[in-house]
Amino acid sequence: EVQLLESGGDLIQPGGSLRLSCAASGFTFSSYAMTWVRQAPGKGLEWVSAIGSSGGSTYYADSVKGRFTISRDNSKSTLYLQMNSLRAEDTAVYYCAKPNFGGVKYDSFEIWGQGTMVTVSS
Amino acid sequence: DIQMTQSPSSLSASVGDRVTITCRAGQTITSYLNWYQQKPGKAPKVLIYAASNLQSGVPSRFSGSGSGTDFTLTISGLQPEDFATYYCQQSYDTPITFGQGTRLEIK
Repeated sequence: EVQLLESGGDLIQPGGSLRLSCAASGFTFSSYAMTWVRQAPGKGLEWVSAIGSSGGSTYYADSVKGRFTISRDNSKSTLYLQMNSLRAEDTAVYYCAKPNFGGVKYDSFEIWGQGTMVTVSS
Repeated sequence: DIQMTQSPSSLSASVGDRVTITCRAGQTITSYLNWYQQKPGKAPKVLIYAASNLQSGVPSRFSGSGSGTDFTLTISGLQPEDFATYYCQQSYDTPITFGQGTRLEIK
């Protein structure tokens, strides 16, 4: 069974840092680009960042560029999101997602994790 | 960035009804348009990919159409489990963008 399991969410003060992880199983992780999507409480879905299958290409939303870093360890089948300089507006459930066919673009998000909550508040 | 605009923002319907949700892109996205369903407290679930392709395991009462900038999601014969929020999403270019969502409620 294909599964994604996020972890690392927490209550953190503004300006702080946090690293999210997404452990993948049930598919050949190294063959797929991966994506982070977030959802603020009561709001819609916001694409955050994506990374190519080898890790050589990364993409970011303007709202997180320069503060967040996406990475992956294909030997551990794990995706990461390093979040620095956190702001109140980063408060959200963070989902990792696997594409249907493997790409960053021209694809859809077939599998989602259960999400991990990040709360930025003093 | 490619802006995605859904309408309506909310919709009330009854079991058995046929409903249509529309999504308009700010520029052409050819057929790179996906539809998701999300229930409270759950992750989104893909229903339709590439505008008109039914995701495996999704009931055939869901269908999608459109190309270029205008797209529709149709649910024929609403079932109780279909009451949820629906999002369109373009995958034509990064940043990937979603519509604001359409909340489908029971009348």
